[in-house]
Amino acid sequence: DAKTTQPNSMESNEEEPVHLPCNHSTISGTDYIHWYRQLPSQGPEYVIHGLTSNVNNRMASLAIAEDRKSSTLILHRATLRDAAVYYCILRPHSGGYQKVTFGIGTKLQVIP
Amino acid sequence: ETGVTQSPTHLIKTRGQQVTLRCSSQSGHNTVSWYQQALGQGPQFIFQYYREEENGRGNFPPRFSGLQFPNYSSELNVNALELDDSALYLCATLRGAEPTDTQYFGPGTRLTVL
Repeated sequence: DAKTTQPNSMESNEEEPVHLPCNHSTISGTDYIHWYRQLPSQGPEYVIHGLTSNVNNRMASLAIAEDRKSSTLILHRATLRDAAVYYCILRPHSGGYQKVTFGIGTKLQVIP
Repeated sequence: ETGVTQSPTHLIKTRGQQVTLRCSSQSGHNTVSWYQQALGQGPQFIFQYYREEENGRGNFPPRFSGLQFPNYSSELNVNALELDDSALYLCATLRGAEPTDTQYFGPGTRLTVL
């Protein structure tokens, strides 16, 4: 099963952009890249996903490297509410979530 | 709010006991997965149910079992509790099986085994 590698922790100042990296060098051609985040004392929540092209939604942007071996989640203006653990996972084209591995994620601290 | 609820929010059991955790599905979501999340770790996949049948299992022993009901709500049962079973248990529901379908997680049940 393909795995992802993320920094354990990052810091950002409030209202500044944040770039959260994820390496997935063993990604297969049909794996989708999904990002979730987990706020304190809550279950994870979906942030964004993509396959090959960069993606934008109301929460964030996802930049995917041309070789797909890495991706970056971009929060354009960090707020205190964005302090959370961010997980990058690879979702296979088939087989549900039993082949998905959540690592320990990146704990983002936002400094006022 | 994801529309997925779990009960109880937390409970304490002793080693060797049995526990049942419950999860209500968001409307129209026929797939539910259960995860175990130890402190400081990411969620670990336990198993998945689709239309009342288990259709995927992670590296967990048979004393972890589950059920899914016709209304797509679900239960996780753990027998012969061990100290290492202390964790946050999360359920997540899915509308479909496409790789673009996203999971909706509940808030979790915090289980402490003494």
